[in-house]
Amino acid sequence: QVQLQESGPGLVKPSGTLSLTCAVSGGSISNSNWWSWVRQPPGKGLEWIGEIYHSGDTNYNPSLKSRVTISVDKSKNQFSLKLNSVTAADTALYYCASRTAEFDYWGQGTLVTVSS
Amino acid sequence: EIVMTQSPATLSVSPGERATLSCRASQSVSSNLAWYQRKPGQAPRLLIYGASTRATGIPARFSGSGSGTEFTLTISSLQSEDFAVYYCQQYNNWPLTFGGGTKVEIK
Repeated sequence: QVQLQESGPGLVKPSGTLSLTCAVSGGSISNSNWWSWVRQPPGKGLEWIGEIYHSGDTNYNPSLKSRVTISVDKSKNQFSLKLNSVTAADTALYYCASRTAEFDYWGQGTLVTVSS
Repeated sequence: EIVMTQSPATLSVSPGERATLSCRASQSVSSNLAWYQRKPGQAPRLLIYGASTRATGIPARFSGSGSGTEFTLTISSLQSEDFAVYYCQQYNNWPLTFGGGTKVEIK
């Protein structure tokens, strides 16, 4: 069974870059899955940020596309999220997840706060 | 972008009763619709995919129906562990979108 674990700083300064990594275990990142990032701001719903395939193909949410980069490191079996020019509105619980079509597996989530 | 609208926002139900949750898409998503359960401090858990197929290990009291723009999640007899927030999500079109959630609380 695939397991996902997010890691990264829990506090980011405004205008800075949010960087998170998702380690994949129990399966290869080169299988037929899309590897996604989803977030949930406090008191709000779930928002899909974007995803990557092991080939490097990506899909991004247009609302965030100008600020987001998702990359994959097959040698480490992990994928990463970078979100630049962050503001307080980017404060959220960030999840990594995998999907074939629906989201089969999720990480536990990591809280990222944007504050000076 | 396909907007997913869930109703009601909160559903108060007694243990053992039936719960019916609704999800509406702003345009057709065919049967490319999933339901997730989320409890505090836990990751979302896939319940239903393809609008009506239970995920591995999901009890039979959970059932999904619908296609196109109207979908329903039914919990036939609520157990204590079922009180949670439920989200629908479409994967027919990018960007992938979620509903705002329905909180199922103890009456």
